[in-house]
Amino acid sequence: AQTVTQSQPEMSVQEAETVTLSCTYDTSENNYYLFWYKQPPSRQMILVIRQEAYKQQNATENRFSVNFQKAAKSFSLKISDSQLGDTAMYFCAFMKHGTSGYALNFGKGTSLLVTP
Amino acid sequence: DGGITQSPKYLFRKEGQNVTLSCEQNLNHDAMYWYRQDPGQGLRLIYYSQIVNDFQKGDIAEGYSVSREKKESFPLTVTSAQKNPTAFYLCASSRGGGMNTEAFFGQGTRLTVV
Repeated sequence: AQTVTQSQPEMSVQEAETVTLSCTYDTSENNYYLFWYKQPPSRQMILVIRQEAYKQQNATENRFSVNFQKAAKSFSLKISDSQLGDTAMYFCAFMKHGTSGYALNFGKGTSLLVTP
Repeated sequence: DGGITQSPKYLFRKEGQNVTLSCEQNLNHDAMYWYRQDPGQGLRLIYYSQIVNDFQKGDIAEGYSVSREKKESFPLTVTSAQKNPTAFYLCASSRGGGMNTEAFFGQGTRLTVV
């Protein structure tokens, strides 16, 4: 299995501040896809942002952006102007095409708490 | 509305019994996935399927079985061979791979074995 590592089990940030969640992965592939998913207390998984490995430009979605460093196999998520609704578990995920199709593998998650 | 539906939301079973978790999608997605979520463990892949009548083992397939007889359905059976079946189970689907790899998730099934 492809290894996805999230080294920060828990983080907290004050409302309106910026926070960065880290993710590293291990692969020998050149073409793959990376994702950040959010899981609020409702436990519904929600896609936050995605990045194709062949694209050098970092993906952005409103207040969410990534810092993709392909050589370092790093894919961090930056949340700007944090809001109370951003409180959730955040999972980094990796997908590549293998002989058996596409498998999506997740890290263990970072629990983010946004405080007033 | 299109989506992915897991049922039931909560399930209780006695130890030693097999139990089947339902997952249905009307998104016309080719790929479907089953994950197990335990505290501090993230989501671990149990099985996945890219097309009808074909499926692959994930990282923790032991004690589980699946079928994919229809594109819309990907049921997961937790067998008595699964040593620690109490967990939160998530089903997901996606259009396939490449640019359209966004996975959509069901709301999960909480299985408790007593």
